[in-house]
Amino acid sequence: SAVISQKPSRDICQRGTSLTIQCQVDSQVTMMFWYRQQPGQSLTLIATANQGSEATYESGFVIDKFPISRPNLTFSTLTVSNMSPEDSSIYLCSAGGTGVTEAFFGQGTRLTVV
Amino acid sequence: SQQGEEDPQALSIQEGENATMNCSYKTSINNLQWYRQNSGRGLVHLILIRSNEREKHSGRLRVTLDTSKKSSSLLITASRAADTASYFCATSLRGGYNKLIFGAGTRLAVHP
Repeated sequence: SAVISQKPSRDICQRGTSLTIQCQVDSQVTMMFWYRQQPGQSLTLIATANQGSEATYESGFVIDKFPISRPNLTFSTLTVSNMSPEDSSIYLCSAGGTGVTEAFFGQGTRLTVV
Repeated sequence: SQQGEEDPQALSIQEGENATMNCSYKTSINNLQWYRQNSGRGLVHLILIRSNEREKHSGRLRVTLDTSKKSSSLLITASRAADTASYFCATSLRGGYNKLIFGAGTRLAVHP
């Protein structure tokens, strides 16, 4: 199993600013993922954070808006750039979930953009 | 994009009753997993069923998988107020690299 610490747990930000969310795993993991959960909705995968290379983004998500870092096998960051109220969501970090095993999730970052 | 749909979208029952949630998906899968989310926080893994399995049990949970119909169901028996949460199915796609695609979710409310 893996324990994931995600911070901040919540934030209220002004439009036009950027927020960086940190995700720390207590053990080395190959796969790390970032999800967005809009109010009342399910989880949508933003990207796979690859260690040592650029993240792999899903359709509808771009690096300029959601830059991701993965400097090692236990840590990743997601930045939400140039925020607008439409970016108000819960952002979740996940590790594992290789497809044959379960995924572990951080507690999420509840972002409100005003 | 989401893999499939879940129904019902919301379910309200009394303690002690059983709760059944259904999940449908669109493409061939490696496995299907169920997760629970309390109050918009992190997700907790409940159970994983592989594509070659038809039924799996874990405590009060029973999961079935019908690959011919591309559907799964989660049954929670003898529900408790603490089971109040949102429940999501997630699929791992066959042939794709390792990632999970989540269904729309069912909001379950269990009343004392």
